[in-house]
Amino acid sequence: QKEVEQNSGPLSVPEGAIASLNCTYSDRGSQSFFWYRQYSGKSPELIMFIYSNGDKEDGRFTAQLNKASQYVSLLIRDSQPSDSATYLCAVKGGNNFNKFYFGSGTKLNVKP
Amino acid sequence: DADVTQTPRNRITKTGKRIMLECSQTKGHDRMYWYRQDPGLGLRLIYYSFDVKDINKGEISDGYSVSRQAQAKFSLSLESAIPNQTALYFCATSDKGQAGANVLTFGAGSRLTVL
Repeated sequence: QKEVEQNSGPLSVPEGAIASLNCTYSDRGSQSFFWYRQYSGKSPELIMFIYSNGDKEDGRFTAQLNKASQYVSLLIRDSQPSDSATYLCAVKGGNNFNKFYFGSGTKLNVKP
Repeated sequence: DADVTQTPRNRITKTGKRIMLECSQTKGHDRMYWYRQDPGLGLRLIYYSFDVKDINKGEISDGYSVSRQAQAKFSLSLESAIPNQTALYFCATSDKGQAGANVLTFGAGSRLTVL
């Protein structure tokens, strides 16, 4: 079983819509959760992190964490074509406290 | 200048050759990491180091070695490259901070092709 699971997509949404990206993790003791955006051929860049249950908002982005369900999601409001990228979920903590585990990423296409 | 610099950015080599990928950082972070990325497999940890005298294997360390020459420098070596080591390699750094602030900052990546 993979530590972090993501649907590979592609997820296609029209411009202006809400894009919802999901991630599940296996280590119940995980403590920190991250969303990175990666454009093709580029390095991952941090969008936001969350470590408490509930929602955390930053501009058009909202991260949602549910530790009981071992589920973390990223909502992108008013999606723009420039949001088209692969979104990586990363998890840290738990049994391997010092390691970051990454999902394989969800490719998002925002159509004009 | 980039906070995390990787060299070379692109390299094509032949099976059996020794290859070194270098990483240097100006962020003053103690922790450094090497990841490889393959299509559909996400980022996988090769080695990580929390200070100059601390080196740890990651998920896929076989066929690789590392050297932490200084706090700011962390090199990845392939002693005898093989074609399935063709991948995009990323160096990353992080600070020790609180759990939520302990984020990874990535270099631009080194694309390695082994023929």
